[in-house]
Amino acid sequence: DVKVTQSSRYLVKRTGEKVFLECVQDMDHENMFWYRQDPGLGLRLIYFSYDVKMKEKGDIPEGYSVSREKKERFSLILESASTNQTSMYLCASTSQGIEQFFGPGTRLTVL
Amino acid sequence: DAKTTQPPSMDCAEGRAANLPCNHSTISGNEYVYWYRQIHSQGPQYIIHGLKNNETNEMASLIITEDRKSSTLILPHATLRDTAVYYCIVRVGYQAGTALIFGKGTTLSVSS
Repeated sequence: DVKVTQSSRYLVKRTGEKVFLECVQDMDHENMFWYRQDPGLGLRLIYFSYDVKMKEKGDIPEGYSVSREKKERFSLILESASTNQTSMYLCASTSQGIEQFFGPGTRLTVL
Repeated sequence: DAKTTQPPSMDCAEGRAANLPCNHSTISGNEYVYWYRQIHSQGPQYIIHGLKNNETNEMASLIITEDRKSSTLILPHATLRDTAVYYCIVRVGYQAGTALIFGKGTTLSVSS
């Protein structure tokens, strides 16, 4: 079975903390994505990567950065967490773009 | 990518067919129609996709009108586990380094 895993299902952090969200896929996919999902707003793309060490901004990159040092791992970094970054974060990967495989999501609460 | 329009919510009785519509009147000739769904507290899951012809797999059927301006996802025998948000997405088959754009989808509620 194809697998996209995320480091935590639930996370609680304080304002100003640096937060790392990790995503790992075992399908040798070139493309990986980070989305956030908020009620009434649907899924919004934060960043994506189409190769190791490559990254592209999505629709809402402000306040976030990413790292892709290995093909299987794509990390989302909140340099200084704020309360408006409380959200569900979803990672996805794909090879040829027909089907994206999503992880289970990380529900982040920033207090 | 072409825009899509879906009803915000639909209800369906368990065991009946669920027909979820999607309008995509500005679709281009090389754009596919994709359907995903998201069950509560889980990541989205791919269901099916098509270009012109109707498609069927173990999960659902996809009916695309001849002018390709609209489509319908059919779950032939809906179960309670099909309660989810269903997303219709239109895009070119593969573009390196691009992401799916999810709208707000249709919330399907299946009841017994």
